[in-house]
Amino acid sequence: EDQVTQSPEALRLQEGESSSLNCSYTVSGLRGLFWYRQDPGKGPEFLFTLYSAGEEKEKERLKATLTKKESFLHITAPKPEDSATYLCAVQVGSGGGADGLTFGKGTHLIIQP
Amino acid sequence: NAGVTQTPKFQVLKTGQSMTLQCAQDMNHEYMSWYRQDPGMGLRLIHYSVGAGITDQGEVPNGYNVSRSTTEDFPLRLLSAAPSQTSVYFCASRPGQSYGYTFGSGTRLTVV
Repeated sequence: EDQVTQSPEALRLQEGESSSLNCSYTVSGLRGLFWYRQDPGKGPEFLFTLYSAGEEKEKERLKATLTKKESFLHITAPKPEDSATYLCAVQVGSGGGADGLTFGKGTHLIIQP
Repeated sequence: NAGVTQTPKFQVLKTGQSMTLQCAQDMNHEYMSWYRQDPGMGLRLIHYSVGAGITDQGEVPNGYNVSRSTTEDFPLRLLSAAPSQTSVYFCASRPGQSYGYTFGSGTRLTVV
């Protein structure tokens, strides 16, 4: 069974304190790993797609990396507006349907001023 | 550019009632999906469509029907609402599998 596990469940940082969120996955035939940001009461907002081990993507203070077993979302010098729940999802070749994403439960990030 | 529009935003149903959650996108995306989000469970795929006239089941399809008569619209029908269907429902679309989903703002459904 395909599994996606995110850690930690919750993380509280001071403004400017860099850290990393983890997404480990156990899937067969990974066809893409996606990161989303979700604010309270809103739908997830797409951040990155990673396809192969060693790939990296950056956007402002965020950088996503991918290995064969996990992905990291690095947050550098975060600001309070980076507070949100960050979701990881995998696209697999089978399971969850031909267009299904399997999501992790998310990491709730709070950046304190 | 509206993106993905879901209606209604909030709904309360009585057990046994039926209803349709509406989803429309104006980006000409071929792929559309319905997810439900429950506390501690993450997002789970209900049904998806890879183009007009083509639909298939996801992880948790029981109690829900979908149809895709046009590229723009992908309604989700609850046949006979049950309290276990209390959840937040998200519709999403994307041009193809290599792209990220664009999500709607969600419908919060309570079944009493």
